[in-house]
Amino acid sequence: EDKVVQSPLSLVVHEGDTVTLNCSYEVTNFRSLLWYKQEKKAPTFLFMLTSSGIEKKSGRLSSILDKKELFSILNITATQTGDSAVYLCAVVAQGAQKLVFGQGTRLTINP
Amino acid sequence: SAVISQKPSRDICQRGTSLTIQCQVDSQVTMMFWYRQQPGQSLTLIATANQGSEATYESGFVIDKFPISRPNLTFSTLTVSNMSPEDSSIYLCSVYTGGTNEKLFFGSGTQLSVL
Repeated sequence: EDKVVQSPLSLVVHEGDTVTLNCSYEVTNFRSLLWYKQEKKAPTFLFMLTSSGIEKKSGRLSSILDKKELFSILNITATQTGDSAVYLCAVVAQGAQKLVFGQGTRLTINP
Repeated sequence: SAVISQKPSRDICQRGTSLTIQCQVDSQVTMMFWYRQQPGQSLTLIATANQGSEATYESGFVIDKFPISRPNLTFSTLTVSNMSPEDSSIYLCSVYTGGTNEKLFFGSGTQLSVL
């Protein structure tokens, strides 16, 4: 059964800190890994990763995938209170459109 | 990209009643997906809604409890039947866009509380 595990489950930091969120996975015939940010109800897309070692970057957020060790990290630098959210990691297998989600990391940024 | 309109945004329902959630997409899509997120939990796939055929349900979810309609390529409904407090969750519809820019887009979500 496909499985995604995120760590930590919860993280509280001060504004300006840098955080690293982790996502490890087990999936048959891996195709891609996606990161989402969930502030209220609907998750919003951040990144989609398919190849190892290629960093995706958007402003203060960046992510990278290691297909050999089966994990991904999401980095947020110079955190702001608006970064407070649940960050979700999901994987999709070859030939499938269904995503399997991890438990999420609840990130709280204190001013 | 895809724009997905979902309604209602939230509802408070009595035990034993049913609620139908609607999802409208601004483009034609082959598959639509319905997820549930129980309080403090991650997203769990309920079923895949296929146009012109019956929905495909994941383990632990059955058609009698969560009937789904998919009358055309831009619309789907999910009904939560005979509700109990355990059905209190966020329900999300989503569509998957494939190709080189693949991603899963979500509707705005329905916050359901069952008393």
